[in-house]
Amino acid sequence: ETGVTQSPTHLIKTRGQQVTLRCSSQSGHNTVSWYQQALGQGPQFIFQYYREEENGRGNFPPRFSGLQFPNYSSELNVNALELDDSALYLCASSERTGVGYGYTFGSGTRLTVV
Amino acid sequence: AQSVTQLGSHVSVSEGALVLLRCNYSSSVPPYLFWYVQYPNQGLQLLLKYTSAATLVKGINGFEAEFKKSETSFHLTKPSAHMSDAAEYFCAVSDLEGGGKLIFGQGTELSVKP
Repeated sequence: ETGVTQSPTHLIKTRGQQVTLRCSSQSGHNTVSWYQQALGQGPQFIFQYYREEENGRGNFPPRFSGLQFPNYSSELNVNALELDDSALYLCASSERTGVGYGYTFGSGTRLTVV
Repeated sequence: AQSVTQLGSHVSVSEGALVLLRCNYSSSVPPYLFWYVQYPNQGLQLLLKYTSAATLVKGINGFEAEFKKSETSFHLTKPSAHMSDAAEYFCAVSDLEGGGKLIFGQGTELSVKP
């Protein structure tokens, strides 16, 4: 059984650019969430998708957007990058949406905005 | 709103000593609680979770946590620390109103001295 895989592992972008991060969820998981982890902080929830529909969003501006595909893989898009967007972006999947289900995390994409 | 607070951003123990990492939660209803570990430059790995089945929860790598409603706590312990336990540890609660998304504490960095 494969876990959650994210690509790329590292990325350097210039302020104002756009970026797309990708995630393949664990086999059998239909829920995917994205988190932003700034240096020295706990992960912060960005949004969650269940069966291709967004079913939860954290306190992030609209320039953070996402997609979930029929195979339950997902993308995180960030437009107009700012320096503060530099962080580790974590994708997590779960077999079901709802409370109490543990999430399996990927190793993350380290985004640096210069 | 639910939240978790981790007491102590850094904990240092000697190899073989007891590990105690503290987490207190705030929730108006019985919470679902999790402990995750993050090794350097990696994603999060689930150590254990509390979903109301038993107050003492055993996890991987010899860790366990006890849910104490009277103290609103869910502290993580391990009887004997190993060098390989050095990592960042996060306590999290499942958001009952947010589709199960995880709300994380700020994390506790565990150092193990030889």
